[in-house]
Amino acid sequence: GDSVTQMEGPVTLSEEAFLTINCTYTATGYPSLFWYVQYPGEGLQLLLKATKADDKGSNKGFEATYRKETTSFHLEKGSVQVSDSAVYFCALSDSGAGSYQLTFGKGTKLSVIP
Amino acid sequence: GAVVSQHPSWVICKSGTSVKIECRSLDFQATTMFWYRQFPKQSLMLMATSNEGSKATYEQGVEKDKFLINHASLTLSTLTVTSAHPEDSSFYICSARDTVGQGKWTNEKLFFGSGTQLSVL
Repeated sequence: GDSVTQMEGPVTLSEEAFLTINCTYTATGYPSLFWYVQYPGEGLQLLLKATKADDKGSNKGFEATYRKETTSFHLEKGSVQVSDSAVYFCALSDSGAGSYQLTFGKGTKLSVIP
Repeated sequence: GAVVSQHPSWVICKSGTSVKIECRSLDFQATTMFWYRQFPKQSLMLMATSNEGSKATYEQGVEKDKFLINHASLTLSTLTVTSAHPEDSSFYICSARDTVGQGKWTNEKLFFGSGTQLSVL
């Protein structure tokens, strides 16, 4: 079946540091890939997405590139801020457009200190 | 943007009791809601899909008689953990599909609650 593996946290960075959260996947089909973010006390929010190979999703300074050859979708940000402290979930959807079923990774907690 | 309210945010109960978790879409109608569960150090796992006015669809391995889902209106779905046991202690989270809202990509219409941490003593 489908699965998502992301690096275990927690990750603690100083403000303005470079962030990478690794995510790899296995899927039977040709999945769409997502990063969700959960800020403290809030629900998961879609951060960015990519629907085909070599697509780059980006939002709020974060970006991730769909790498089919390495089955990866690593999340990066060049300079993190304290407000980026949250839990980040990598996810895939393997049922084509119109599907709302997601397979999630375990989540990576990021703490950014001033 | 669309908001999904989930209550309670945490609950502690005794073994053998039942616990109800509510998931409300505050400013949109949701014909479909999803219930997930996350055990410590594990992934969020889909438990069931809740459809307004009809029976929920449960994922393999999830006991429908233990996890009762009611989706009686377009803005409310409830998950009741019946006869809870310590092994049911987990983080439960709901999501709701906005059938009308903006966003051409389907997952942009999917909104999550903030989750419920259940601890069964």
